[in-house]
Amino acid sequence: DAGVIQSPRHEVTEMGQEVTLRCKPISGHDYLFWYRQTMMRGLELLIYFNNNVPIDDSGMPEDRFSAKMPNASFSTLKIQPSEPRDSAVYFCASSFRLKNEKLFFGSGTQLSVL
Amino acid sequence: ILNVEQSPQSLHVQEGDSTNFTCSFPSSNFYALHWYRWETAKSPEALFVMTLNGDEKKKGRISATLNTKEGYSYLYIKGSQPEDSATYLCAPYDRDDKIIFGKGTRLHILP
Repeated sequence: DAGVIQSPRHEVTEMGQEVTLRCKPISGHDYLFWYRQTMMRGLELLIYFNNNVPIDDSGMPEDRFSAKMPNASFSTLKIQPSEPRDSAVYFCASSFRLKNEKLFFGSGTQLSVL
Repeated sequence: ILNVEQSPQSLHVQEGDSTNFTCSFPSSNFYALHWYRWETAKSPEALFVMTLNGDEKKKGRISATLNTKEGYSYLYIKGSQPEDSATYLCAPYDRDDKIIFGKGTRLHILP
């Protein structure tokens, strides 16, 4: 398996634009997580899915953020409209089970909002 | 789980020396603890998943212990090598399925 695949690796956009981040989890993994990494807050969980269903989105910062998982092999994280404070590295991770299985992380998307 | 503390924040260790650092977490409602190694410009990679009080895990020169009653875990690196330079993250899970990553311990191995 190629691991968790994220795209794009880098995204530079202007404030107010819509940004879509993409993730393909490892085949057979039932859980998918979206994390955001910043200097101030470290690695924080935004949302996670189980079998394509959102389970906990309490980490999503505000209504500008939305995430979907239309099928077992694809998820998106959308920011609309984007703001400079959204600049961060966004990681997607997947796992077979929730607590006793390690997370496999994608290579991340470096987002810069100007 | 409301608060995960990792100490120290940063650590410089001479190559060949052994070292250890700490992850502290609330012991109530604990379910499992993950340790990850995060090298610069890469993604976090799992080292250990631990669940039982008194658990000890080992992977090469790296080992970890877990005390769920008092809420801490130690990560040990024996005979540090340059490739051990990374940030080490701990992440406790509680029974309500909440996971919070610590801010990490940044380890620098000096040649």
